[in-house]
Amino acid sequence: NAGVMQNPRHLVRRRGQEARLRCSPMKGHSHVYWYRQLPEEGLKFMVYLQKENIIDESGMPKERFSAEFPKEGPSILRIQQVVRGDSAAYFCASSPPIPQTKLFFGSGTQLSVL
Amino acid sequence: GESVGLHLPTLSVQEGDNSIINCAYSNSASDYFIWYKQESGKGPQFIIDIRSNMDKRQGQRVTVLLNKTVKHLSLQIAATQPGDSAVYFCAENPHNNDMRFGAGTRLTVKP
Repeated sequence: NAGVMQNPRHLVRRRGQEARLRCSPMKGHSHVYWYRQLPEEGLKFMVYLQKENIIDESGMPKERFSAEFPKEGPSILRIQQVVRGDSAAYFCASSPPIPQTKLFFGSGTQLSVL
Repeated sequence: GESVGLHLPTLSVQEGDNSIINCAYSNSASDYFIWYKQESGKGPQFIIDIRSNMDKRQGQRVTVLLNKTVKHLSLQIAATQPGDSAVYFCAENPHNNDMRFGAGTRLTVKP
């Protein structure tokens, strides 16, 4: 049973370009979470999704950021018109459809905006 | 903002000593807590969890203590090893499955 898979591992974009980060949850997990982490800082919650539904996006900027978790395929975190301040590690986690259970994390995508 | 915080941002211990990492939370509705370990360049890894109907839970070399009265959580690592060097995060789950993390404590183990 493969763990949470994120790709790409590293992503370099120029200012103004779009970044698409992918996350495939563990088998049997229908809940996906996205977190952002700056160097030497904690994990900042961005968005929590179930299949085809956004449950909580309170941590995600209203502009340029969007997330989806379609019925088929991975969850996508999309950042449009990236700026230097978007440079960070973005972690995805998944969990089964059980209330209050531990999250399993991927290895993250390191986004660098030039 | 996040409701979970940590008392000590860094902790340095001698190999073989016990480590104690502390965490304060502010949401009294939280009833599920997790400790994660994050090594450099990797995603957080689950260590141990505890529910609010317990005040202590033990794992292999690790113990989590929960004091609901003062909203305090701690992680104790026995006989700390070099491989324990990492950043440790506590996380709380106040409702649904919305896990919120603290700022983290960097643990450094000196040989």
